[in-house]
Amino acid sequence: QQQVKQSPQSLIVQKGGISIINCAYENTAFDYFPWYQQFPGKGPALLIAIRPDVSEKKEGRFTISFNKSAKQFSLHIMDSQPGDSATYFCAAATSGSRLTFGEGTQLTVNP
Amino acid sequence: GAGVSQSPSNKVTEKGKDVELRCDPISGHTALYWYRQRLGQGLEFLIYFQGNSAPDKSGLPSDRFSAERTGESVSTLTIQRTQQEDSAVYLCASSRWSTTNEKLFFGSGTQLSVL
Repeated sequence: QQQVKQSPQSLIVQKGGISIINCAYENTAFDYFPWYQQFPGKGPALLIAIRPDVSEKKEGRFTISFNKSAKQFSLHIMDSQPGDSATYFCAAATSGSRLTFGEGTQLTVNP
Repeated sequence: GAGVSQSPSNKVTEKGKDVELRCDPISGHTALYWYRQRLGQGLEFLIYFQGNSAPDKSGLPSDRFSAERTGESVSTLTIQRTQQEDSAVYLCASSRWSTTNEKLFFGSGTQLSVL
């Protein structure tokens, strides 16, 4: 019940396209859903996060869409750029508890 | 310092040797995590320290793995009698603690290679 399932495992997108990464969870007590971005040789860094009181959060080209009834949330990267090529991790937690991470998606944006 | 610092950045050891990995969290961060990341894989939770509470050791893969933390400061992850399957990047992260979750700050990791 603590798992977070992430898909796809890898994704290739052309420059300017939309990248979409999906996550699903089982624990209905989860109330915090962040996305982390990891470049090679670096630790992950927080990209954007959402709480279940809203269905969408946008920061620049990055948007989280949240569907509470389906227990799913997704990351959309608009106008994808080669510099967005990285590994993306979704995660979930209940208030004050440690994060549970998804398996990661390796995104490649071709020029 | 400005961020989470891990040392060494790279460690090569022989099978059967013990290794110690160090993590200096951001000052004031009460929560500290260790994760393992095998090549091309996800983040495998190892252990979580939160203030003076008993650590959550549920992710440690075997009794060869242990970790300590001195108060709200430095943490060391020790792997005894290393095996080749221990080869991975070991990541440390820290955060402030609150009831509403806080951003994790990760170090750049220690690349461990067991020959």
